[in-house]
Amino acid sequence: KQEVTQIPAALSVPEGENLVLNCSFTDSAIYNLQWFRQDPGKGLTSLLLIQSSQREQTSGRLNASLDKSSGRSTLYIAASQPGDSATYLCAPSGGGADGLTFGKGTHLIIQP
Amino acid sequence: SAVISQKPSRDICQRGTSLTIQCQVDSQVTMMFWYRQQPGQSLTLIATANQGSEATYESGFVIDKFPISRPNLTFSTLTVSNMSPEDSSIYLCSATDTQRSFSYEQYFGPGTRLTVT
Repeated sequence: KQEVTQIPAALSVPEGENLVLNCSFTDSAIYNLQWFRQDPGKGLTSLLLIQSSQREQTSGRLNASLDKSSGRSTLYIAASQPGDSATYLCAPSGGGADGLTFGKGTHLIIQP
Repeated sequence: SAVISQKPSRDICQRGTSLTIQCQVDSQVTMMFWYRQQPGQSLTLIATANQGSEATYESGFVIDKFPISRPNLTFSTLTVSNMSPEDSSIYLCSATDTQRSFSYEQYFGPGTRLTVT
């Protein structure tokens, strides 16, 4: 059974800092991994998807890397802004009909 | 990408009653999923709904408690039956299209916040 751990559980930093959020998973036989953000009381917004054959994926100020063999993914946020405040979730998947397994998330607060 | 809507967005229900949550996708998708997010917790997969077949439930979830329908390629419902306060959660549906895209990216609806009193 896949288990996902995210570190740190919470993070509060002043705006402008570059951040690293970590995700580890126990079963390396994944098809892809998604990073999401969740605003309080809201649904999930997909940020990045990395296929198992990829090493990294970028979207704007976000960069996600994947080391499938070691069961790790990292989300890098550059030049953080108060609007980045949210909970960030990583979720590996076996693909196709497989649902996602979620970590408990990193609760991020960016101070103005 | 797919845009997903859910109804209702929130509800307050009495114990012992049932609530049906609707999930509508703006395009045809092969797979739909239902998740539960209990207060302060992360998301847990309840079941996978494939059009034309019975839903597949994860360990700890049973059809009598969470019956699911998937009548076509754009719509699904989840019923929370005989509710108790422990069912108070956010229920989210998601979708992915395994025929037109091999990325299997999942898109989520806004969720239904359920409070059982």
